[in-house]
Amino acid sequence: EPEVTQTPSHQVTQMGQEVILRCVPISNHLYFYWYRQILGQKVEFLVSFYNNEISEKSEIFDDQFSVERPDGSNFTLKIRSTKLEDSAMYFCASSSRLAGGAETQYFGPGTRLLVL
Amino acid sequence: TQLLEQSPQFLSIQEGENLTVYCNSSSVFSSLQWYRQEPGEGPVLLVTVVTGGEVKKLKRLTFQFGDARKDSSLHITAAQPGDTGLYLCAGAIAYGQNFVFGPGTRLSVLP
Repeated sequence: EPEVTQTPSHQVTQMGQEVILRCVPISNHLYFYWYRQILGQKVEFLVSFYNNEISEKSEIFDDQFSVERPDGSNFTLKIRSTKLEDSAMYFCASSSRLAGGAETQYFGPGTRLLVL
Repeated sequence: TQLLEQSPQFLSIQEGENLTVYCNSSSVFSSLQWYRQEPGEGPVLLVTVVTGGEVKKLKRLTFQFGDARKDSSLHITAAQPGDTGLYLCAGAIAYGQNFVFGPGTRLSVLP
């Protein structure tokens, strides 16, 4: 069964460093998402991406964040200058359209980011 | 801003018991999904519901979407320890809109 994959599974970085989180969405999906989940808190939407551009982003997704689909298969989230509060589990998701226009969304296993 | 609420927040039951958890909002959703999440892992999709009043069964799990597509319930029959986990509901107002997640119900099934 096709699945969303993410690398790395864990990332430890120093505050102020740049990190790139990588995702390979399910191949025939058209929408891609990044979410994050701070330990003990709920899953929060960061950004959605369609047709090679951002379609929606949350207040969390400020100028230090960017997304890219560099080669038609990978979908990356870059954090330019990490802060302590960026420590979280980052989930990539992709979705396909169901009959009738609804959507079903599949999540990757996540990257656990720890900023020291 | 769509807000999804889930109840109860925590639930601890004995193996073999039945339970229902709820997901409520004031917003109308085009689709709503239920996930189960284990600690340190990503949410795993259980079901997607799209039609008001729809009922879907997945073995011992029964999912219902409210007639007005603002709420949903998950009923588990004869719960087992393997059902332990965080149950999340997430809704999207339209295709391509981000999914909004509820805070989850943390279920513990004791043997």
